[in-house]
Amino acid sequence: GDSVTQMEGPVTLSEEAFLTINCTYTATGYPSLFWYVQYPGEGLQLLLKATKADDKGSNKGFEATYRKETTSFHLEKGSVQVSDSAVYFCALSDLNNNNDMRFGAGTRLTVKP
Amino acid sequence: EAGVVQSPRYKIIEKKQPVAFWCNPISGHNTLYWYLQNLGQGPELLIRYENEEAVDDSQLPKDRFSAERLKGVDSTLKIQPAELGDSAVYLCASSLGDSTYNEQFFGPGTRLTVL
Repeated sequence: GDSVTQMEGPVTLSEEAFLTINCTYTATGYPSLFWYVQYPGEGLQLLLKATKADDKGSNKGFEATYRKETTSFHLEKGSVQVSDSAVYFCALSDLNNNNDMRFGAGTRLTVKP
Repeated sequence: EAGVVQSPRYKIIEKKQPVAFWCNPISGHNTLYWYLQNLGQGPELLIRYENEEAVDDSQLPKDRFSAERLKGVDSTLKIQPAELGDSAVYLCASSLGDSTYNEQFFGPGTRLTVL
């Protein structure tokens, strides 16, 4: 079945450091890919998305490119801030699987001043 | 526009007691989801509704869990009786149910602690 594997955490960075959180997926069809963010005490919020191969999703300085050849959707940010501290979830939604969302286990990011 | 509303935000009960969670989706969203999120894990789908019909409940432990979505708007998830292992965050999400891609909007969740 469909699945998502993302980089284990926790990840601790200093402010202004470069961030990469790896995500790879397995799907039978052509899924849409997402990154969700969960701030402490809050629900999941959609950070960015890509619906087809080579699409780049971007938001708040974060970017991820849908790479069909490597089945990846790595999250990147050039300069992280303390306010980026949160848990990040990679997810996919596959039309061949009723559009049900499959999430990775999440990666906790802590950014220190 | 209001987001997905869930209540209560926190619930502490003793094992074998019943508990219920309530969700009000975003207005106009036909599809509603209940997810279970264990500590340190991603959400896992329990049940999905299209309007008032439960179209995917294959992951719902039906011996103790039940859900309903009367009139295709609000939804309630119930556990009876609760077990220690049910301690988790229960998330509700909704979407338009668009066929192109599925952007889901999540509520803040209900954190359940079973003692």
